[in-house]
Amino acid sequence: QSVLTQPPSVSAAPGQKVTISCSGSSSNIGNNYVSWYQQLPGTAPKLLIYDNNKRPSGIPDRFSGSKSGTSATLGITGLQTGDEADYYCGTWDSSLSAGHWVFGGGTKLTVL
Amino acid sequence: EVQLVESGGGLVKPGGSLRLSCAASGFTFSSYSMNWVRQAPGKGLEWVSSISSSSSYIYYADSVKGRFTISRDNAKNSLYLQMNSLRAEDTAVYYCARGGVAARPNWFDPWGQGTLVTVSS
Repeated sequence: QSVLTQPPSVSAAPGQKVTISCSGSSSNIGNNYVSWYQQLPGTAPKLLIYDNNKRPSGIPDRFSGSKSGTSATLGITGLQTGDEADYYCGTWDSSLSAGHWVFGGGTKLTVL
Repeated sequence: EVQLVESGGGLVKPGGSLRLSCAASGFTFSSYSMNWVRQAPGKGLEWVSSISSSSSYIYYADSVKGRFTISRDNAKNSLYLQMNSLRAEDTAVYYCARGGVAARPNWFDPWGQGTLVTVSS
């Protein structure tokens, strides 16, 4: 059971838009930056969004991030078959004395 | 080009030890926090440990605390993970990932290609 809750799967047609939610609490999302990662099949994860809504260089503006309270959302517009991947949210959690990083359970995106 | 290359994975018996290494290049290694993240076969990502740029701050997941030790050598641009008392549930691909310049990570970028650790008798 992950501290951050993501839907196990989402799907949409090519060209459409999809959103992936990430729900947490005040000890993690509520008071820390959220980042998002894309993991294509058989490859290492890649940073998509950092500091809630910033894109690293090279990440197309079809990918966007937002945060409100204790939840965050990843948006992907103009879906392409190459976007089929697992997506993970992550953030720091301050609930324990030393703190620790937490990931969501991951969301598998299918582009129909 | 920023690059991270892990090594040291392999097959080990339960209760055994293994030391993973991560060689960094293409950036000022001593300025960044570094991290280990693992992924069990068919499962999601699990954070393992983080170390700040000067090794002043070290963090561990509860699942590995007391068994794993993270360390770094800034002169050699290298990150390490000493894994002792290994269990079957430690079987995973272990990724090395760069964090930000803060004492604790705010993101992970880039990631290495990963090294597989299999704990089995």
